[in-house]
Amino acid sequence: NAGVTQTPKFQVLKTGQSMTLQCAQDMNHNSMYWYRQDPGMGLRLIYYSASEGTTDKGEVPNGYNVSRLNKREFSLRLESAAPSQTSVYFCASSYSMPDTDTQYFGPGTRLTVL
Amino acid sequence: QQPVQSPQAVILREGEDAVINCSSSKALYSVHWYRQKHGEAPVFLMILLKGGEQKGHEKISASFNEKKQQSSLYLTASQLSYSGTYFCGTYPMNTGFQKLVFGTGTRLLVSP
Repeated sequence: NAGVTQTPKFQVLKTGQSMTLQCAQDMNHNSMYWYRQDPGMGLRLIYYSASEGTTDKGEVPNGYNVSRLNKREFSLRLESAAPSQTSVYFCASSYSMPDTDTQYFGPGTRLTVL
Repeated sequence: QQPVQSPQAVILREGEDAVINCSSSKALYSVHWYRQKHGEAPVFLMILLKGGEQKGHEKISASFNEKKQQSSLYLTASQLSYSGTYFCGTYPMNTGFQKLVFGTGTRLLVSP
């Protein structure tokens, strides 16, 4: 059981470049999330997917798009990277709604935009 | 909307106790606590639900005051392994598929 996996672990981009962060879980979870973590800001939700086939915006969705490819996979795309998107990105999943359920986090992707 | 955590940082000697507080401006259905060690992913500690149910770590205790919209995490007889940043996540009442909103964290350092 790998839990939640993310690729890549590190990435450096130039302003304007695009990239996709990949996330997969093998726990048969229904809900998946993308967070960003900046120093002193805690974890902020970018997008979430309550179930396969649905996605919705979180607190800070601007500049990002997501795809829930299937039940296991949830990707985050930066179409035109900006220095303000330098951050650590975490993917998480939970079996059901986040009100009563544990979220399991992946190891994170450390992204630097120059 | 982000819950407020206090203190922002605390330094303990091994064996000492600490309390970390989390306060929200909204009526809450549940409060979640996570711990994150440097360079690692957050790890679940506990969920406290409206009505008194708790789920989580056996060696960590917490309280949830629904009326005051506050939660406290109690770390007793601290160990070196308790060092890290503690985040509370709050889940508001009656708003459909809402999202956890995390606080900015409390840094805890336990020294020998």
